Amino acid sequence: GAVVSQHPSWVICKSGTSVKIECRSLDFQATTMFWYRQFPKQSLMLMATSNEGSKATYEQGVEKDKFLINHASLTLSTLTVTSAHPEDSSFYICSASTYQHNEQFFGPGTRLTVL
Amino acid sequence: AQSVTQLDSHVSVSEGTPVLLRCNYSSSYSPSLFWYVQHPNKGLQLLLKYTSAATLVKGINGFEAEFKKSETSFHLTKPSAHMSDAAEYFCVVSATGNQFYFGTGTSLTVIP
Repeated sequence: GAVVSQHPSWVICKSGTSVKIECRSLDFQATTMFWYRQFPKQSLMLMATSNEGSKATYEQGVEKDKFLINHASLTLSTLTVTSAHPEDSSFYICSASTYQHNEQFFGPGTRLTVL
Repeated sequence: AQSVTQLDSHVSVSEGTPVLLRCNYSSSYSPSLFWYVQHPNKGLQLLLKYTSAATLVKGINGFEAEFKKSETSFHLTKPSAHMSDAAEYFCVVSATGNQFYFGTGTSLTVIP
């Protein structure tokens, strides 16, 4: 149980285009979803926290107009990287939690490469 | 306030020898503690977690960790390293499921 999926697993795009990454909780309803970014050989950096039906809460230094987060249902959150640039290339990981679980369940990650 | 310190950024062991990855935490509340493993270009896999039950926690793949409140530590151990254990390991502390504090990670190399 408690499986989280991400799609796509790897995306390559041209500079200036927008990319959408999906995060789904497959077998539970996630009241809260999280988006992390991970640079090579570094730890995860929390970008934002989103609760279903509410606006996401962004961490300091994360541009909310650049990284659009939508959490329209209890099983789906999306991260859209708008007008992507090479410096946005990174590994993006989502996670999900519920009120019943004092932990987060992580997705497999999405590698974004911006050319 | 909560934080995690992973004392070693890199650990090398020979195959078949014990593994020790060190983690110290700071928490104002009774924490939950987790160890995750990440293989290259993969997501995080939960190895084990401590949530105020038994202080010695057994996880997958032969790993275990002991919660020591007096030392504020949660070190990860394995009696005998396998080549497949080579990966990045993260220690995480949380007071609630909504706030996870990650350590900087420890890269484990297993020498054949």
